[in-house]
Amino acid sequence: AQKVTQAQTEISVVEKEDVTLDCVYETRDTTYYLFWYKQPPSGELVFLIRRNSFDEQNEISGRYSWNFQKSTSSFNFTITASQVVDSAVYFCALSDAGGTSYGKLTFGQGTILTVHP
Amino acid sequence: NAGVTQTPKFRILKIGQSMTLQCAQDMNHNYMYWYRQDPGMGLKLIYYSVGAGITDKGEVPNGYNVSRSTTEDFPLRLELAAPSQTSVYFCASKVGGDGEGNSPLHFGNGTRLTVT
Repeated sequence: AQKVTQAQTEISVVEKEDVTLDCVYETRDTTYYLFWYKQPPSGELVFLIRRNSFDEQNEISGRYSWNFQKSTSSFNFTITASQVVDSAVYFCALSDAGGTSYGKLTFGQGTILTVHP
Repeated sequence: NAGVTQTPKFRILKIGQSMTLQCAQDMNHNYMYWYRQDPGMGLKLIYYSVGAGITDKGEVPNGYNVSRSTTEDFPLRLELAAPSQTSVYFCASKVGGDGEGNSPLHFGNGTRLTVT
């Protein structure tokens, strides 16, 4: 069975601090996909990034970066120079690529990030 | 493009009442899903559908029913509302047949349901 664990329930930082959100996953599949979603206070779910299991290159998008390490089954998310607008709940999610997966996502519990001015 | 549209945004039900949460997408996506979000629990899959006329249970299907008569619509039915069904419900859709897990889910804005 698949499992995603986000051990940090809540994180509080002051603006301009860097912050890393941890995500650890479990799967027996060799091909799978990892996702991060953001849920701002308005409630919608916003897709941030997708990574497949064969691509371990780190990715940077502006102030956001992602570190994928298969050896430790982790897919961590770092926000550099955090801003108040980064305050949200962040979800890590996993989907296998098998024929019967049908793109179903298994979500972590979410990490509430609060950035104080 | 409207994307995924959910109605209503909010609803209060009394125990034992029934209701249907509506979900419609205009992206011609084959795959559609219903998730519920409880505080501190992430999102749990209730039901999903891979095309018109095809539905299947997710992780937490008890107390719910779905139908998929068209590609666009995927309503979720609560027959006998219980306090345990108080939650935020999200509908989502994605293209299918692209390596299954590859493309991201597009989510609606959610329906906040309270059962008292």
